[in-house]
Amino acid sequence: GAVVSQHPSRVICKSGTSVKIECRSLDFQATTMFWYRQFPKKSLMLMATSNEGSKATYEQGVEKDKFLINHASLTLSTLTVTSAHPEDSSFYICSARGGVGTNEKLFFGSGTQLSVL
Amino acid sequence: AQSVAQPEDQVNVAEGNPLTVKCTYSVSGNPYLFWYVQYPNRGLQFLLKYITGDNLVKGSYGFEAEFNKSQTSFHLKKPSALVSDSALYFCAVRPNTGGFKTIFGAGTRLFVKA
Repeated sequence: GAVVSQHPSRVICKSGTSVKIECRSLDFQATTMFWYRQFPKKSLMLMATSNEGSKATYEQGVEKDKFLINHASLTLSTLTVTSAHPEDSSFYICSARGGVGTNEKLFFGSGTQLSVL
Repeated sequence: AQSVAQPEDQVNVAEGNPLTVKCTYSVSGNPYLFWYVQYPNRGLQFLLKYITGDNLVKGSYGFEAEFNKSQTSFHLKKPSALVSDSALYFCAVRPNTGGFKTIFGAGTRLFVKA
């Protein structure tokens, strides 16, 4: 089945630094990827929709200048948390729309636990 | 506003007993319905979906879900729970308006006791 690889799985950084998270579709082309943020014991909050070759579409309340999304190829989308602060600490998950024949499913990466000190 | 409700934060069941995890939604039209499971520090895994057809859909690991249009519900069920089923379960809805934006419920933690 379709595989989405997300890296790193865990990152600890100092306040004020930037962190990049990668999301790759390993065996299919993902024209659309989604970035979610998950708080402890809470649901997934959609942050943005990433479309290959165009600007990402951000959900209301998500700062586009803080959460930079780049989808430069059909297999890679990146989320950069700029000037991270402790309140940005969270579990970030990417997902990709499956290719032809995947029956509407979303395929998820394994998530990135970001801790900002 | 479109929303998905999972009224139970946690469901406890003994191994071997049937389990039900509830989900109701408020989305216009005929949305696509999904269940996903999440294990600790992992991404979500697809369990099953309903798009059209038979109201009872079968999915992975022996799970099934029943779509009820009049009650706008999509409850997840399994006839005999296993300890290994213990995880966080998310109900998700995708409005059938084009696009792929998916709305997730808050999740229900299933705890199966041996």
